[in-house]
Amino acid sequence: DADVTQTPRNRITKTGKRIMLECSQTKGHDRMYWYRQDPGLGLRLIYYSFDVKDINKGEISDGYSVSRQAQAKFSLSLESAIPNQTALYFCATSDLVSGANVLTFGAGSRLTVL
Amino acid sequence: AQSVTQPDIHITVSEGASLELRCNYSYGATPYLFWYVQSPGQGLQLLLKYFSGDTLVQGIKGFEAEFKRSQSSFNLRKPSVHWSDAAEYFCAVGALQGAQKLVFGQGTRLTINP
Repeated sequence: DADVTQTPRNRITKTGKRIMLECSQTKGHDRMYWYRQDPGLGLRLIYYSFDVKDINKGEISDGYSVSRQAQAKFSLSLESAIPNQTALYFCATSDLVSGANVLTFGAGSRLTVL
Repeated sequence: AQSVTQPDIHITVSEGASLELRCNYSYGATPYLFWYVQSPGQGLQLLLKYFSGDTLVQGIKGFEAEFKRSQSSFNLRKPSVHWSDAAEYFCAVGALQGAQKLVFGQGTRLTINP
């Protein structure tokens, strides 16, 4: 089994629908992240969490919310999806190695909003 | 705040040729630097990282990168590419202080000609 598992891997939905992307990890890491990937823009941070009681906004959090249900689970929600949220979404976890974050990524969730 | 620029959006090289992917960063202190690779349909895999010490770092799959503080660069190299190296490559910079979030470049897509 993968260290970081994302579900669903692919999802097509319509404008205005609520969508949840789920992430679970077996790494035992405290830190979890949600990134969005768009062609030509690289990865941009949506939200991150350093422990169960800690949630922080990233650079593009508008239109998204998250829930850290447990150390191993971190979900991303789109309350009312819009077409420009069509993207590839990555969950990642990290552990501090020599004082620096080293991220482990899931395989990604491709979301299409029609 | 830190930032990363990958000047080349797309590079094509012949199999067996040498490769250099460019990465320039902006950060006011000593950065932590990473290269990740994303194969089609996959998540991101860590190729190598620089924290301190020797400025030439070795990674997996025969890749290496050199940290040049004077040029604010962390270019990725491989002496002889294989068709399986076709992928998208991301440079990232992390800060030692604060939340230690990673900031990613826009990515460079590598195509290998047979």
